[in-house]
Amino acid sequence: EVQLLESGGGLVRPGGSLRLSCAASGFTFDEYAMHWVRQAPGKGLEWVSLIGGSDANRRYADSVRGRFTISRDNSKNTLFLQMDSLRPEDTALYFCAKADCGDSACYVKDFWGHGTLVTVSS
Amino acid sequence: EIVLTQSPGTLSLSPGERATLSCRASQYVRNNYLAWYHLKPGQGPRLLIHAVSKRVTGIPDRFSGSGSGTDFTLTINGLEPEDLGVYYCQQYAGPYYGGSPETFGPGTKVEIK
Repeated sequence: EVQLLESGGGLVRPGGSLRLSCAASGFTFDEYAMHWVRQAPGKGLEWVSLIGGSDANRRYADSVRGRFTISRDNSKNTLFLQMDSLRPEDTALYFCAKADCGDSACYVKDFWGHGTLVTVSS
Repeated sequence: EIVLTQSPGTLSLSPGERATLSCRASQYVRNNYLAWYHLKPGQGPRLLIHAVSKRVTGIPDRFSGSGSGTDFTLTINGLEPEDLGVYYCQQYAGPYYGGSPETFGPGTKVEIK
């Protein structure tokens, strides 16, 4: 059974940093691309970032490029999102999601975690 | 960037009725790169359909997708109480360099009377 468990969310001041983690199990982690998607309070889903299975390619939404960094540790089946220079508009529930294939053009997400909440406020 | 519009914003129906959810794209969605997800409170989204009409393994056959080009539809035949929640369409046709390679619609909330 595929399981994705996010952690690392919390309250942070504007300009601060946070590192999210997503522990994956139930599939061969390094064979699949992984995503971060967020949902601001009362809003819809917004794609944030993607990393290919081999870590060869990373992509970012314009809204986070230059501030967020996606990475993965395939030896530990874990996905990360380093978030720097956080802004109030980054406040959201952050989901990690497994893509249905391995390269950096894989955008269909066949399994999702339950999310971790990030609140950016002074 | 391809912008998706979903209608109606909210759908309130009784169990057993048919739900018809619309998703319209601002540009042509090439290769039928359109998916539908279901989000229930306290859970992560669940993939229902990809490539416009390909139902994911384990998804009941009361869910079906159709459409092409810029107009797409998710139909739920015979609503069940567990179908409540918000349904999102997603296009993943790009652009892959510059702009967002994928976008989601604003969602349609399905309420069960």
